[in-house]
Amino acid sequence: AQTVTQSQPEMSVQEAETVTLSCTYDTSESDYYLFWYKQPPSRQMILVIRQEAYKQQNATENRFSVNFQKAAKSFSLKISDSQLGDAAMYFCAYNDYYGGATNKLIFGTGTLLAVQP
Amino acid sequence: DAGVTQSPTHLIKTRGQQVTLRCSPKSGHDTVSWYQQALGQGPQFIFQYYEEEERQRGNFPDRFSGHQFPNYSSELNVNALLLGDSALYLCASSLSSGVDLSFYSNQPQHFGDGTRLSIL
Repeated sequence: AQTVTQSQPEMSVQEAETVTLSCTYDTSESDYYLFWYKQPPSRQMILVIRQEAYKQQNATENRFSVNFQKAAKSFSLKISDSQLGDAAMYFCAYNDYYGGATNKLIFGTGTLLAVQP
Repeated sequence: DAGVTQSPTHLIKTRGQQVTLRCSPKSGHDTVSWYQQALGQGPQFIFQYYEEEERQRGNFPDRFSGHQFPNYSSELNVNALLLGDSALYLCASSLSSGVDLSFYSNQPQHFGDGTRLSIL
């Protein structure tokens, strides 16, 4: 079964600095998606960035970028120029692509990011 | 453009009772997935509904059941509530039909704000 592991329960970063959140996963599949979701205290899960496993190029979305190492099964999120609004729980997730267009997501346990002014 | 809406936002029940949670998908979406998020944990997949049928199910007992209506909205029912059922229940919607059902057309899920269920 596929698993997702986030080994950093909490992280802290100074405003305007850069922080990297770690994620590893385990799968026997060759094609899949990986995601980073942000969950602020408002509870809504917000998609930050996604990576297709078949693409070697790392995904970027403004201040957010990933370092995808397929062989190592590693998928880290880098947040540049951190802002107070980035403070939230961050979840790494794997898309268990099962035979069709299903979107079952497997989540890690999350990393709580604090941003210090 | 309305996003995913869930009701109620918060619910308090006692052990042994039954509960129904509701979800309206984002406009244009036809697939609804339900997740359970215990305190301090990541969400766990319960099941997914498409074309009014359960398409895939996670490792949850039969006490958890669901339904999808012709307008794509969905309900999650939990019977014989246990203290361990206390959690945030998230609904997520996505689009399955009308697109190339290949890996390269994976549609991201959009989540609602969740229903906080507390069991006393």
